[in-house]
Amino acid sequence: GAVVSQHPSRVICKSGTSVKIECRSLDFQATTMFWYRQFPKQSLMLMATSNEGSKATYEQGVEKDKFLINHASLTLSTLTVTSAHPEDSSFYICSATPGQNNQPQHFGDGTRLSIL
Amino acid sequence: DAKTTQPPSMDCAEGRAANLPCNHSTISGNEYVYWYRQIHSQGPQYIIHGLKNNETNEMASLIITEDRKSSTLILPHATLRDTAVYYCIVRDSGNTGKLIFGQGTTLQVKP
Repeated sequence: GAVVSQHPSRVICKSGTSVKIECRSLDFQATTMFWYRQFPKQSLMLMATSNEGSKATYEQGVEKDKFLINHASLTLSTLTVTSAHPEDSSFYICSATPGQNNQPQHFGDGTRLSIL
Repeated sequence: DAKTTQPPSMDCAEGRAANLPCNHSTISGNEYVYWYRQIHSQGPQYIIHGLKNNETNEMASLIITEDRKSSTLILPHATLRDTAVYYCIVRDSGNTGKLIFGQGTTLQVKP
C-alpha cells in the first residue's frame, strides 16, 4: 500500500532554534500533502494544506510565518518550525494522497518535537 | 469543525466483533465516510471508506445506513492489537480533500 515517510521521528532542541521536518511519499506522487499537529490526549488538528509548486493554504489561527511549508516536488513537503518555543512542542504528522480526491490519505508516523 | 459524532469510548472482548458507531447527519450527497485509527504515538492508519454502499476489506466492514446519516465500522474478530482511537471522518467535498478529525472513539479490547 501507499507509504508516507516522515523524518525525523523525534527531535529535541533549544528554544529559539528552527526545526525542519520532512514528509515523503515513497511510492506515489502527491500534488497535495497535509500537515497536522496533535497535543497530548487531543485529536489531530489540521495546520495547512501543502500544494506542489504553489503556496500552502493555512488553517485559521496558524501562523504562516511561524510554520513555513515548502512543497518543491511531487514526493516531498517540508515543515519548518521557526524560532521554536516550548509551546510549539507537539506531535507533528503529515499525510498525502496518491491522486484523485476520494482516494484515502496516508499518514506518516509523525515527528515528536520537544523544545527545551 | 468535525461533522461526525462518536461515543468517546467503548470496550470489546478479544475475539468478539467490535461495532463502532458514527453519526454524520449533515453529510452531503458527494461526501465519503472515512475511517482511520491511531495507535498511541503513531500516525493514523487508514481502514476503510465508502459513499453509500456497504464496504468490506481485509481489515473491517463499513455499514452505511440508507439515509447516509450514520455508519458503523465492524471489526469482525477484535484482537488486543486493535486497541486504538478510531476516527470517523466525512471527507471535505472541496477540491482540497482535507480531513477534519473529531475526538474519535477509544476502543479498548480486553482479554
